[in-house]
Amino acid sequence: NAGVTQTPKFQVLKTGQSMTLQCAQDMNHEYMSWYRQDPGMGLRLIHYSVGAGITDQGEVPNGYNVSRSTTEDFPLRLLSAAPSQTSVYFCASSRSGGGTDTQYFGPGTRLTVL
Amino acid sequence: GENVEQHPSTLSVQEGDSAVIKCTYSDSASNYFPWYKQELGKRPQLIIDIRSNVGEKKDQRIAVTLNKTAKHFSLHITETQPEDSAVYFCAASMRGRRALTFGSGTRLQVQP
Repeated sequence: NAGVTQTPKFQVLKTGQSMTLQCAQDMNHEYMSWYRQDPGMGLRLIHYSVGAGITDQGEVPNGYNVSRSTTEDFPLRLLSAAPSQTSVYFCASSRSGGGTDTQYFGPGTRLTVL
Repeated sequence: GENVEQHPSTLSVQEGDSAVIKCTYSDSASNYFPWYKQELGKRPQLIIDIRSNVGEKKDQRIAVTLNKTAKHFSLHITETQPEDSAVYFCAASMRGRRALTFGSGTRLQVQP
């Protein structure tokens, strides 16, 4: 049982490039989400999904797209990278709704945009 | 929406001392308050949580207290050890809400 996995661990992009951060979980969790972590700002929700085929925006969705074609996978796409998107990105999952269930986080992806 | 404020942002204690981290929340409907620990370079992990039907919860050296009237909750760590050094995040939510709202984090340093 690998839990929540993320790839890559590190990534450097140039401004304007696009890329996809991968997230997968093997716990059959319905709820998955993406957070970004910036110094002094805690964890901020980007997008979330309550099940396959259902996604919605979080607190800071601009510049990011998501899709959920399977229960296991929840990729995050950066459409045109900007320096302001330099951050550590965490994917998380929980058994059901994100409100009161334990969130299980992936190991994170450290992204630098030059 | 919900807003969670966390204090202090940094906390340094001597090994064996107690540490207290405080959070306040804005939405009186919130009824679930977890605490996550994040070691350097690692992922956040749940260490304890409390629901609004109780005022205090303990798990060995850690405890959380909740004051719903004042809308604040606190994490207490007793007999601190160097391995307690980490960033601690509080959060607040309720069933049906889309996600947790996190505080900005407290960096705890336990000096040997």
